Amino acid sequence: GAVVSQHPSRVICKSGTSVKIECRSLDFQATTMFWYRQFPKQSLMLMATSNEGSKATYEQGVEKDKFLINHASLTLSTLTVTSAHPEDSSFYICSASPRSDQPQHFGDGTRLSIL
Amino acid sequence: GENVEQHPSTLSVQEGDSAVIKCTYSDSASNYFPWYKQELGKGPQLIIDIRSNVGEKKDQRIAVTLNKTAKHFSLHITETQPEDSAVYFCAADPMEYGNKLVFGAGTILRVKS
Repeated sequence: GAVVSQHPSRVICKSGTSVKIECRSLDFQATTMFWYRQFPKQSLMLMATSNEGSKATYEQGVEKDKFLINHASLTLSTLTVTSAHPEDSSFYICSASPRSDQPQHFGDGTRLSIL
Repeated sequence: GENVEQHPSTLSVQEGDSAVIKCTYSDSASNYFPWYKQELGKGPQLIIDIRSNVGEKKDQRIAVTLNKTAKHFSLHITETQPEDSAVYFCAADPMEYGNKLVFGAGTILRVKS
C-alpha cells in the first residue's frame, strides 16, 4: 500500500531556531501533499496544501512566512518552521495520495518541542 | 465551509461488545467520508471510507453507514478487542476524492478486557 514517511519523528530545539520537516511518498508520486497540525488531545487542522512545482496554498490564519513549504519533487515536500517559538510546539503531520480519487495516507508525524 | 461534528468524545466498552461513533457534516457537496484510527504518537491510519453513492460499507469487524439526506455517517466496530483502543477520527471531503479533509474532533475508544 501507499506509504508516507516523515523525518524527523521528534525535534527539540531552542527558541529562534528554524526547523525543517520532510515528508516523502515512498512508493508513489504525489503532485499534492497536505500539512496538518495537531495539538494535544485535539483534532487535525489543515495548515497548507503543498503543490509540486508551484507555490503552496495556505489555510486562513496560517502565516506563510512562518511555515515555509517546498515541494521540489514528486516524492518530497518540506515544511520549515522559521524562527520557532514555544507556541509553535505541536505535532505536525503530512499526508499524500497516489491519485486524487484515492485515500489520503498519513505519515507518522513530527513532534516539535521548542524550549 | 465544511464543519464536522463527532460524538461521543470518549467511549468505553467491554471487550466483545460493539462500539458506534457518529458524525454529522454541514456541506451537502461533500462526497467522501473516511475514518482514521490514531494510536499514541502515530499518524492517522485509514480504516475504512465511503463515498456518497453508497449507503453502507463493511470490512470484517468494521462498517460505515452514510445517510446523505440527514448528513450523518457512523462507524460501527463489532466484537471489539483491546487493540481497537485508540482515537478515531471521522472526516469529510468538501472537494471530493480524498483531498483537503475536514476532521471531526475525535473519539477516544477504550476497550476493557
